[in-house]
Amino acid sequence: ETGVTQTPRHLVMGMTNKKSLKCEQHLGHNAMYWYKQSAKKPLELMFVYNFKEQTENNSVPSRFSPECPNSSHLFLHLHTLQPEDSALYLCASSQSGQGDIQYFGAGTRLSVL
Amino acid sequence: DQQVKQNSPSLSVQEGRISILNCDYTNSMFDYFLWYKKYPAEGPTFLISISSIKDKNEDGRFTVFLNKSAKHLSLHIVPSQPGDSAVYFCAASVMDSSYKLIFGSGTRLLVRP
Repeated sequence: ETGVTQTPRHLVMGMTNKKSLKCEQHLGHNAMYWYKQSAKKPLELMFVYNFKEQTENNSVPSRFSPECPNSSHLFLHLHTLQPEDSALYLCASSQSGQGDIQYFGAGTRLSVL
Repeated sequence: DQQVKQNSPSLSVQEGRISILNCDYTNSMFDYFLWYKKYPAEGPTFLISISSIKDKNEDGRFTVFLNKSAKHLSLHIVPSQPGDSAVYFCAASVMDSSYKLIFGSGTRLLVRP
């Protein structure tokens, strides 16, 4: 148990669906992150929030929409995804940004049909 | 172009022997390096880190070595145990200026009993 909880663990969705991924951290951290891990590729940073403010958007398509209502919760809203978006989506948190150790959730395995 | 490379996708080692996992980087601005371990169906967990002001950091059976001139770091596990079987990721960042951890693609370690 890392203190970072992601739901759901698995998600299958069609290209016309809208779904959301949820992440919650119980570590008192101020920064939260979304990563994507595709097969045989490195983890790719998608978004960074620090004190609820988005500080990084790594050229992510607009069909991925993050939301950070408070420092403990992070959402990733998904709509009109493509099959190539199928991947493991990982959430992480850290005390602050700027090189701190990041603690990861177990991820959501997403399949887009 | 990958800034952090793990050129060995897999490594198999006998229990009790040394495991050496390697990582190369290209960005000379990186000054903080981390190793994460990932079991199936779990998120990456932090293992050990090293700052560029050091060339070695040790924590129990795990030692990370940094060779800045060669832009190379390695993780040594001695003695290796079957429970160490996992995927190991190295990551790098520029402390105090970036929220980004740049990850390698991982090395799958199998420790044979």
